[in-house]
Amino acid sequence: EVQLVESGGGLVQPGGSLRLSCAASGFTFSTYSMNWVRQAPGKGLEWVSYISSISSTIYYADSVKGRFTISRDNAKNSVYLQMNSLRAEDTALYYCAKYRGSGWSFDYWGQGTLVTVSS
Amino acid sequence: QSALTQPASVSGSPGQSITISCTGASSDVGGYNYVSWYQQHPGKAPKLMIYDVSNRPSGVSNRFSGSKSGNTASLTISGLQAEDEADYYCSSYTSSNTLVVFGGGTKLTVL
Repeated sequence: EVQLVESGGGLVQPGGSLRLSCAASGFTFSTYSMNWVRQAPGKGLEWVSYISSISSTIYYADSVKGRFTISRDNAKNSVYLQMNSLRAEDTALYYCAKYRGSGWSFDYWGQGTLVTVSS
Repeated sequence: QSALTQPASVSGSPGQSITISCTGASSDVGGYNYVSWYQQHPGKAPKLMIYDVSNRPSGVSNRFSGSKSGNTASLTISGLQAEDEADYYCSSYTSSNTLVVFGGGTKLTVL
């Protein structure tokens, strides 16, 4: 059974930093690309970042480019999101999502970790 | 404002069929067969229901179907059931910098 478990969320002041983690199990992690998708409270979904299986290809949404960094450790079956210079508009539930393999769809999602940016 | 446009809400009675539209542009929905649909129950993670416009993942009921015409994709749910009540989001690959865009979501109410 595929499981994705996010952690690392919390309350942070504007301008601060936070590192999210996502631990994966139930599939061969090292062969799949991974993504982060966020959802502001009461709002819709927003794709944030993508990392390929061997970290050779990385993409970011314009809204986080230059502030967020995605990475992964295939030995630990984990993907990370380093978030710097956080803004109030970054407040959201952050989901880790497994890339299906093609077509830019995500076939498994974690339960999310909440990031709140507020003073 | 979301890149893809969905109706805010739709409703139907048990057993009926409903269709949710998702309108984009030639740079996303109209230009690629990479439209996906997700179901999200309150407090839960999204679940992939349709990928590549009209394909169902294993385990998804055949009551769910997808299609596309021009810049508009559609999700049809036939034989509505109470458990279908949820939010539904479309997404598409886009040739813009964003790569993946979502619709604003549609709340389905089963009357």
